[in-house]
Amino acid sequence: QVQLVESGGGLVKPGGSLTLSCAASGFTFSDNYMSWIRQAPGKGLEWVSYISGSSHDTNYADSVKGRFTISRDNAKNSLYLQMNSLTAEDTAVYYCVKNTRVAAYWGQGTLVTVSS
Amino acid sequence: DVVMTQSPLSLPVTLGQPASISCRSSQSLVYSDGNIYLNWFHQRPGQSPRRLIYKVSNRDSGVPDRFSGSGSGTDFTLKISRVEAEDVGVYYCMQGTHWLWTFGQGTKVEIK
Repeated sequence: QVQLVESGGGLVKPGGSLTLSCAASGFTFSDNYMSWIRQAPGKGLEWVSYISGSSHDTNYADSVKGRFTISRDNAKNSLYLQMNSLTAEDTAVYYCVKNTRVAAYWGQGTLVTVSS
Repeated sequence: DVVMTQSPLSLPVTLGQPASISCRSSQSLVYSDGNIYLNWFHQRPGQSPRRLIYKVSNRDSGVPDRFSGSGSGTDFTLKISRVEAEDVGVYYCMQGTHWLWTFGQGTKVEIK
């Protein structure tokens, strides 16, 4: 069965950096677009970024463009999100999601807290 | 960005009774491939969202048949024929047609 396990969240100071990871299993990782979606505490859902199987196609929400970088390692069945210049508005649970337009499967999420 | 507007935002329901959630988009959700990428998710407290319905009306494996989705163009509906206790939580619609893909604000379903 599909499994997505995020890691790398934690407490970081404003202006700091963090890299999230997602370990995927149960499907052919390299054949699938992958995404990151976030949810601020007590709030709704916001798409952050997606990447194609080949890594040739990526896109970002305006709120993170220029600060976040999505990448993947198909040999390791892993998805990443490099986050720089973090602000309090980036505080959220970050979910790794299989597929894009239909958001088929979600991981359990990893919490990123940006605070001094 | 496409704005997804759900109503109601809070829905107290009686066990065994039907429930309905509306989702309206600010633009048509018909994609160039002819599909309508309108999906529904359910999130229980402390859990990640789980997809219930994809492309308007296709129920995911393991989703009870009391859940159904319908709609076209800009107006969509999620219906629960008979609410059960496990159905509490927040329901979100989501459009995957126009980037930036967006979610509705969420509808909180609780038992009266």
